[in-house]
Amino acid sequence: EDQVTQSPEALRLQEGESSSLNCSYTVSGLRGLFWYRQDPGKGPEFLFTLYSAGEEKEKERLKATLTKKESFLHITAPKPEDSATYLCAVNAGNNRKLIWGLGTSLAVNP
Amino acid sequence: NAGVTQTPKFQVLKTGQSMTLQCAQDMNHEYMSWYRQDPGMGLRLIHYSVGAGITDQGEVPNGYNVSRSTTEDFPLRLLSAAPSQTSVYFCASSPGQGLGNTIYFGEGSWLTVV
Repeated sequence: EDQVTQSPEALRLQEGESSSLNCSYTVSGLRGLFWYRQDPGKGPEFLFTLYSAGEEKEKERLKATLTKKESFLHITAPKPEDSATYLCAVNAGNNRKLIWGLGTSLAVNP
Repeated sequence: NAGVTQTPKFQVLKTGQSMTLQCAQDMNHEYMSWYRQDPGMGLRLIHYSVGAGITDQGEVPNGYNVSRSTTEDFPLRLLSAAPSQTSVYFCASSPGQGLGNTIYFGEGSWLTVV
């Protein structure tokens, strides 16, 4: 069964303390992996799409990487405004629907 | 710069009542969808549409109906509300169903069924 697992469930960092969030997947035929950010009381907001192992994308303090089994969202020198839940989703096989992880809740303390 | 607009933001229903969650997008997107988000379950697809007049079931369609009479609007109807339908509902749209198309989400509708 296709599955997406995110870890840790929750992460608390001090401002400036870099870290990584993990999204591991077991799917047949990865077609794309997506990262979204969700603020409390809001809908998910698109961050990145990764298509193949070795691919990397960056946006401000965020960098997403992809291997054949997992993706990492690296957060460099985070600020309090980076506090949010980060969601990972995978599209695999012939099914165009997305499989969503449960998210990592990130809190960055000033 | 509205994007995807959902109404209402909050709603309380009694068991057995029906209601419609409204969704409109102003980006001329072909693909629209409805998700529900529950603690410990993540986002689950309810129904989706690849264009006006075309709808299909997602992962958890039971108890919900949709229609797509125009490109802009994609309402979600709860036929006879049940406590299990207490959730946060998100409408989403994208230019197409292809992988390269970013999905844009609405702000969400919080529904409580008592």
